[in-house]
Amino acid sequence: DQQVKQNSPSLSVQEGRISILNCDYTNSMFDYFLWYKKYPAEGPTFLISISSIKDKNEDGRFTVFLNKSAKHLSLHIVPSQPGDSAVYFCAVREAAGNKLTFGGGTRVLVKP
Amino acid sequence: DTGVSQDPRHKITKRGQNVTFRCDPISEHNRLYWYRQTLGQGPEFLTYFQNEAQLEKSRLLSDRFSAERPKGSFSTLEIQRTEQGDSAMYLCASSYAGDRPQHFGDGTRLSIL
Repeated sequence: DQQVKQNSPSLSVQEGRISILNCDYTNSMFDYFLWYKKYPAEGPTFLISISSIKDKNEDGRFTVFLNKSAKHLSLHIVPSQPGDSAVYFCAVREAAGNKLTFGGGTRVLVKP
Repeated sequence: DTGVSQDPRHKITKRGQNVTFRCDPISEHNRLYWYRQTLGQGPEFLTYFQNEAQLEKSRLLSDRFSAERPKGSFSTLEIQRTEQGDSAMYLCASSYAGDRPQHFGDGTRLSIL
């Protein structure tokens, strides 16, 4: 049973527009949430994180939103750039835990 | 900050052979993790070290798998009697304690012939 789901396997967006990636989780014990970006033949690169005491965290073009009641996490990228084309993974960590549980990923294509 | 380093980047071996991978974490990080990623999936947790102590192992880590971090610095992951199903990308990550992100290496891609 998947505890973390990214229901959109792919997303295509025009350069300069907003990319919105979504992630749903099932366990209310998760308390730390992260987004990673992955290019082919490279490891995941950390983008942004949020703890459960917050509902929004911003870093430059990237904003993560957390809706604990809905068990929903989203990543907004604005404006989108061609270099943002990659696979994006959400990851969650249980309170007092250490391991990350990942979603299946969303492939983003930013068209010039 | 030199990042997490993994060696080798690629390993091709015959079924039944033993393989060993090495991970050098970011030097200030006391936590080290191993994950496995197969095509079209997100990484799956295998095991975790705090300093030299292996504190958690996934049920994915069968008795053919063993991991060590002898001096609390680099780590090795050994797979004995490899099987076709072991073909995957093996990722290492490291972090500080607490609400701090894990930083990943570029992985070792294992192919079993």
